[in-house]
Amino acid sequence: QQQVKQSPQSLIVQKGGISIINCAYENTAFDYFPWYQQFPGKGPALLIAIRPDVSEKKEGRFTISFNKSAKQFSLHIMDSQPGDSATYFCAAETGGYNKLIFGAGTRLAVHP
Amino acid sequence: ETGVTQTPRHLVMGMTNKKSLKCEQHLGHNAMYWYKQSAKKPLELMFVYNFKEQTENNSVPSRFSPECPNSSHLFLHLHTLQPEDSALYLCASSQGTGGLETQYFGPGTRLLVL
Repeated sequence: QQQVKQSPQSLIVQKGGISIINCAYENTAFDYFPWYQQFPGKGPALLIAIRPDVSEKKEGRFTISFNKSAKQFSLHIMDSQPGDSATYFCAAETGGYNKLIFGAGTRLAVHP
Repeated sequence: ETGVTQTPRHLVMGMTNKKSLKCEQHLGHNAMYWYKQSAKKPLELMFVYNFKEQTENNSVPSRFSPECPNSSHLFLHLHTLQPEDSALYLCASSQGTGGLETQYFGPGTRLLVL
């Protein structure tokens, strides 16, 4: 119940295309869903996050879509750029504990 | 130095060695974390410290021993490790542990156990 399942494991997108990464969870107590971005040789860094009281959050080219009834959320990267090539992790947290449960990660490659 | 720093960045050790990983955060945070990142597996939370007190031990084997002398420094003491302990060990910090807190990660220590 504590798992967060992430797909796909890897993704190749052409420059200018849309990258979509999906995550699913079981624990309905989760109430905070961040996405982290990790470049080679660096630690993960918070990219964007959402709470389940909204269905969508957009920051620049990055959008989280949240479907509470389906217990799924996804990251959309619009106009994908080679500089977006990184590993992306979804995560979930039960409010009040700051204990993040991470998905297995998606390695994104954006080709020029 | 800014953010979260970790030393060493790379470490090779034998199964009988004792070594320590160091993490320092320059963000004025009160909570610090150790994570293990293995290939093709989710990041695994190992330990959480809040105001120098351990608040989470995620069933980590005793061959990993954390130490948090103050809110800015966190150590992970390693002894008699196994080859399957080879991984990237990440340190993170956050303002607190009350939920919805952004965790800031260091670059990690790449550990190889021979």
